[in-house]
Amino acid sequence: EVELVQSGAELKKPGESLRISCQVSGYRFTTYWIGWVRQMPGRGLEWVGIIYPGDSDVRYSPSFQGQVTISVDKSIGTAYLRWSSLRASDTAIYYCARLTSGAYGDYWGQGTLVTVSS
Amino acid sequence: EVVLTQSPATLSLSPGERATLSCRASQSVNYYLAWYQQKPGQAPRLLIYDASKRATGIPARFSGSGSGTDFTLTISSLEPEDFAVYYCQQRSSGLPGSFGGGAKVEI
Repeated sequence: EVELVQSGAELKKPGESLRISCQVSGYRFTTYWIGWVRQMPGRGLEWVGIIYPGDSDVRYSPSFQGQVTISVDKSIGTAYLRWSSLRASDTAIYYCARLTSGAYGDYWGQGTLVTVSS
Repeated sequence: EVVLTQSPATLSLSPGERATLSCRASQSVNYYLAWYQQKPGQAPRLLIYDASKRATGIPARFSGSGSGTDFTLTISSLEPEDFAVYYCQQRSSGLPGSFGGGAKVEI
């Protein structure tokens, strides 16, 4: 059974760093792209970026380029989304999703709530 | 960048009725369009991909149609669990593209 399990909710202050994770199971990690999606409170869905674990090829959406870093650890089947300096506007739920060959999210993590507040 | 516009923003219907949701693209996306369902407090769920193919485990009451710039998601007879928000998403150059703004189906 395919599963994506994300790390727990985080409460951070502006300027702090953060890394959240998405651990997969039930399929070969290195053969599917993984994407990160942001959902701000009461809003819609936005792609943050995607990564191919096989070779760590990463693509960022223009709005997020330079703002976050996506990486993987193949040895433990885990993808990461990292901020070096959080802002209040980063407050959102972040989902990871496995992407089909057609670039659609067929399996999703449960989401990680990131709250940035002083 | 392709912009996806969903309409109506809110659809008020009763169980057993037919729901028709629209997604219009600012330029052709061929048939590379998906539909997701999201319930409160849950992650999105893939319903339809490549405009008309049902994802694994999706009931037959969900169907998708369209190509180019105009797409439709139809729920033939609403079940209580179908009241949710629905998003369309396109792909571009083999990568995930933009989502629509969402459409809420409410009782």
